[in-house]
Amino acid sequence: DAGVIQSPRHEVTEMGQEVTLRCKLISGHNSLFWYRQTMMRGLELLIYFNNNVPIDDSGMPEDRFSAKMPNASFSTLKIQPSEPRDSAVYFCASSWTPTNTGELFFGEGSRLTVL
Amino acid sequence: GENVEQHPSTLSVQEGDSAVIKCTYSDSASNYFPWYKQELGKRPQLIIDIRSNVGEKKDQRIAVTLNKTAKHFSLHITETQPEDSAVYFCAASIGGNNRLAFGKGNQVVVIP
Repeated sequence: DAGVIQSPRHEVTEMGQEVTLRCKLISGHNSLFWYRQTMMRGLELLIYFNNNVPIDDSGMPEDRFSAKMPNASFSTLKIQPSEPRDSAVYFCASSWTPTNTGELFFGEGSRLTVL
Repeated sequence: GENVEQHPSTLSVQEGDSAVIKCTYSDSASNYFPWYKQELGKRPQLIIDIRSNVGEKKDQRIAVTLNKTAKHFSLHITETQPEDSAVYFCAASIGGNNRLAFGKGNQVVVIP
């Protein structure tokens, strides 16, 4: 398996533009997490899906952020409109969690710069 | 919610010496405590984890100890090597479910 695959790896955009980040889970995994990493705040959990269902989106900063999981292997994180303070590395991670919390497998991350 | 803190924020050690990073958590229901290593520009990767029914776990040069009463757990790296230089994140499960709250990370620098 190629692991968790994220795209794009780098995105530079202007304030106000829409940004869509994509994530492909490891085959067979049933949990999907979106994290945001910045120097100031570290790794922040934005949203968590289990079996395609959003379980906890309390970490989503505001209504400008939305995430979907249209099928068991794919997710998107959308920011509309983007702002400079959204600049960060966005990680997608997946795991197989039938019962207990398990190992998170992170993608390579999407580095977003909003000018 | 769960609050996870790591100390010290930066640690420099001579090659061959040991490094210890301590992490504290707030949620007494947390039962899973992993450590992730992130090299510059790379993804975080799991290096060791421990569950609440165990007090210590070792894997070659790395070990993790857990004190549930005091709500802290520590990462121990022995015989440090330059390739151990990285940012290390501790995490704790949020309650008894599948989510993790991460600490802000420790920068470990191994000086050759």
